[in-house]
Amino acid sequence: RKEVEQDPGPFNVPEGATVAFNCTYSNSASQSFFWYRQDCRKEPKLLMSVYSSGNEDGRFTAQLNRASQYISLLIRDSKLSDSATYLCVVNPPSAGKSTFGDGTTLTVKP
Amino acid sequence: NAGVTQTPKFQVLKTGQSMTLQCAQDMNHNSMYWYRQDPGMGLRLIYYSASEGTTDKGEVPNGYNVSRLNKREFSLRLESAAPSQTSVYFCASSHLSDTQYFGPGTRLTVL
Repeated sequence: RKEVEQDPGPFNVPEGATVAFNCTYSNSASQSFFWYRQDCRKEPKLLMSVYSSGNEDGRFTAQLNRASQYISLLIRDSKLSDSATYLCVVNPPSAGKSTFGDGTTLTVKP
Repeated sequence: NAGVTQTPKFQVLKTGQSMTLQCAQDMNHNSMYWYRQDPGMGLRLIYYSASEGTTDKGEVPNGYNVSRLNKREFSLRLESAAPSQTSVYFCASSHLSDTQYFGPGTRLTVL
């Protein structure tokens, strides 16, 4: 079993749709969690951190469920510019290697 | 601030040639990382350095060596390139286990 697993996708949705991605992790001691966005052939960039209380940034909402060991990303009112690959990242308790999911590809169509 | 810079941006090698990928960050981060990303695949960690003077193997270290030259610089060396090492290589840095910031990548082709 992979340490971090994401919905395989791809997700193809119309503009204005709401879409949700899930990511499960196996290390219960994991301390910090992130969602990154990667555009085609570009470097990954931080989209948002994920906190236990959940957090929202405009149309994006991230949530963490420690009991079930998963994080989620909800995108409301999808825009064409949201088309990208979304990577979930799980960090260990101390300085060391992060674990990236393989990513979920989203295509938003007119 | 430039953030994380990588050189070169593109490189073509013949099988058996060697080369060094350079990475530098100006954010005073302790931790630095090298990843590879194959087409349609996720990021795989090659090596990381939690602090100046230390390096550790990641998921796919075979065929690579690294040097943490100082706090700013972390280089990746391919001693004898193989076609299986054709990939996009990303360097990243972070403060401890916080957000990672990535460089623009090096696109390497080994013929």
